Amino acid sequence: GENVEQHPSTLSVQEGDSAVIKCTYSDSASNYFPWYKQELGKRPQLIIDIRSNVGEKKDQRIAVTLNKTAKHFSLHITETQPEDSAVYFCAASKAAGTALIFGKGTTLSVSS
Amino acid sequence: KAGVTQTPRYLIKTRGQQVTLSCSPISGHRSVSWYQQTPGQGLQFLFEYFSETQRNKGNFPGRFSGRQFSNSRSEMNVSTLELGDSALYLCASSPADRSYEQYFGPGTRLTVT
Repeated sequence: GENVEQHPSTLSVQEGDSAVIKCTYSDSASNYFPWYKQELGKRPQLIIDIRSNVGEKKDQRIAVTLNKTAKHFSLHITETQPEDSAVYFCAASKAAGTALIFGKGTTLSVSS
Repeated sequence: KAGVTQTPRYLIKTRGQQVTLSCSPISGHRSVSWYQQTPGQGLQFLFEYFSETQRNKGNFPGRFSGRQFSNSRSEMNVSTLELGDSALYLCASSPADRSYEQYFGPGTRLTVT
């Protein structure tokens, strides 16, 4: 079955720096790759996603890139702010209605 | 639109008991998925329902079951609770026409003693 590896498990940056989180997946049939942000005690929130027919997608300070050949995708956060501090999860799925397979999460800490 | 809601938010049960958790999806969403979140295993897929039918199931024992009603509300049931079932149980809903995106509820924190 699908396996998603996520690195690093923790990431500490200074306010204003960039942060990059990387994920690799094993199943070449996966075609949808969302990223979720989960603040302490709160629900996971979908922050950005990408489908396999797209190489990059941006939304303000957040961007996601996908390399289908290498089977990896990354989340880039620019100009980080303290409110970006949270656990970030990557995930992969093969089709609508199928399971999201999650990475183990990255705890991002942004210090001011 | 109101978000996904889950009840109860917190639950304490003892080993051997059974529990039922409820999830109300975003209005108009017809797909509901359930996930278990633990510190050790992360987020793991339990099952997904669409139009009252289970379409997909994860690798959990038969003690974990679910159902979906005609109004898309869903319940999951865990029988013969074990200590290892202590977790945050999250449901997520998806619109029928763009079912890739899943929107999570706040979860039910289950503690088994």
